Amino acid sequence: GQQLNQSPQSMFIQEGEDVSMNCTSSSIFNTWLWYKQDPGEGPVLLIALYKAGELTSNGRLTAQFGITRKDSFLNISASIPSDVGIYFCAAVPSNTGKLIFGQGTTLQVKP
Amino acid sequence: SAVISQKPSRDICQRGTSLTIQCQVDSQVTMMFWYRQQPGQSLTLIATANQGSEATYESGFVIDKFPISRPNLTFSTLTVSNMSPEDSSIYLCSVPLDNTFEQFFGPGTRLTVL
Repeated sequence: GQQLNQSPQSMFIQEGEDVSMNCTSSSIFNTWLWYKQDPGEGPVLLIALYKAGELTSNGRLTAQFGITRKDSFLNISASIPSDVGIYFCAAVPSNTGKLIFGQGTTLQVKP
Repeated sequence: SAVISQKPSRDICQRGTSLTIQCQVDSQVTMMFWYRQQPGQSLTLIATANQGSEATYESGFVIDKFPISRPNLTFSTLTVSNMSPEDSSIYLCSVPLDNTFEQFFGPGTRLTVL
C-alpha cells in the first residue's frame, strides 16, 4: 500500500536552532499536510499544501510541496521550548479525503 | 475549524469487555473519520463514518470488532469490542474542513486494556 517515510525519527536540538524534517513516498499525492501532536492531545494542523512546488509559511514554520509530488519538507526556524512535540506529515491518496500518516518526528528542544 | 469533543478521555478496561467512544462536533459534517494510534506509533485510519449508511472500513479493520454508528451529522460512536491488551491505543475522531482535505482531530480517547 501507499506509505510515507518520515525522517528523522527524532531530533534533540538547542533552543534557537533551525529544524528540518521531510517526508517521502514512492507514490504521487495532490495534498500534503503537516501536523503537530502534543502529549495527551490530538494532532493539530500546522500547514496544508495543495500545489507542487508550493512553499507556505505559518509563523516560524515553512513547508514545501515537492516538485515531484512525492515528498514534502517542514522547516522550523529559531526553535523554542514550546516546539517540543511529535510532528507528522500526512497525505491524501487519490483525493479520497482519507489521510495516511508518516511515522512522526519527535522534537526535543533544550533551553 | 470545528470544535470536536470525545468521551471518555481515557479508560482502563478488562479484556473481553467492550467500550463505546463518542465523538461530538459543533457543526454538521458529511464525513467523520476514526483513527487508531498505538503506543509510540503513528495514526492509522480505521473507518469512515457516513451519515445514513454503513461505515467504510480500511483493510485490517472489521465491523464486528469496531462497530460504528453515525446517527446524525454531528455525532458518531466507535465501539471497541471484545477487547484485548493489543487494543490499548489512543482512538481519535476527525472531521474535514468544508471543501478541503484538511482534517481536524478530537482530543482522543486513551484506552488501556488489562
